Amino acid sequence: NAGVTQTPKFRILKIGQSMTLQCAQDMNHNYMYWYRQDPGMGLKLIYYSVGAGITDKGEVPNGYNVSRSTTEDFPLRLELAAPSQTSVYFCASSYSQGSGGYTFGSGTRLTVV
Amino acid sequence: RKEVEQDPGPFNVPEGATVAFNCTYSNSASQSFFWYRQDCRKEPKLLMSVYSSGNEDGRFTAQLNRASQYISLLIRDSKLSDSATYLCVVNPMNRDDKIIFGKGTRLHILP
Repeated sequence: NAGVTQTPKFRILKIGQSMTLQCAQDMNHNYMYWYRQDPGMGLKLIYYSVGAGITDKGEVPNGYNVSRSTTEDFPLRLELAAPSQTSVYFCASSYSQGSGGYTFGSGTRLTVV
Repeated sequence: RKEVEQDPGPFNVPEGATVAFNCTYSNSASQSFFWYRQDCRKEPKLLMSVYSSGNEDGRFTAQLNRASQYISLLIRDSKLSDSATYLCVVNPMNRDDKIIFGKGTRLHILP
């Protein structure tokens, strides 16, 4: 059981570079989410998706884009990386939005220098 | 009042002791509640749901107080492996119906 798989685990970007954080789940969950977690802070929702072809903004979407072409995959795109995007990024999936049973990936630690 | 509020701690507790921490929420219409555990530099994992009548899972007891709008987590006979950050999670039943994570309470179990 892979659950939610995120790649890469670590990445250093230079200011202005772009990258895609990959997220895949094998639980056939319709709902998927991207969060960021800054040191000592809580999780902030970036984007979420309620199913293939449907995405919506969360609390902090600026500087990011997402797509959901399949149920399994939910990549997060960073365009023109900025130091403020230095954070740990977690992808999660769930059977329903309000169920509370979110499964998280192991995270991507991103540093922008 | 913040939607979900937790004492950030840290709580430094000797091994074997009992420790409890609370989480308050602002939306009285909230319907479901959870505790997650996050180890250092790891992802959050669901610890337990919180039911209206209170519930136990081994050494862990979760309770809900709707009148005062808080949930609590009690850990008995604490182990070194209980050291982690405990996140309070609330389903506010708003239009978007997405759960809200608290910032967490850090717990250190001392040998």
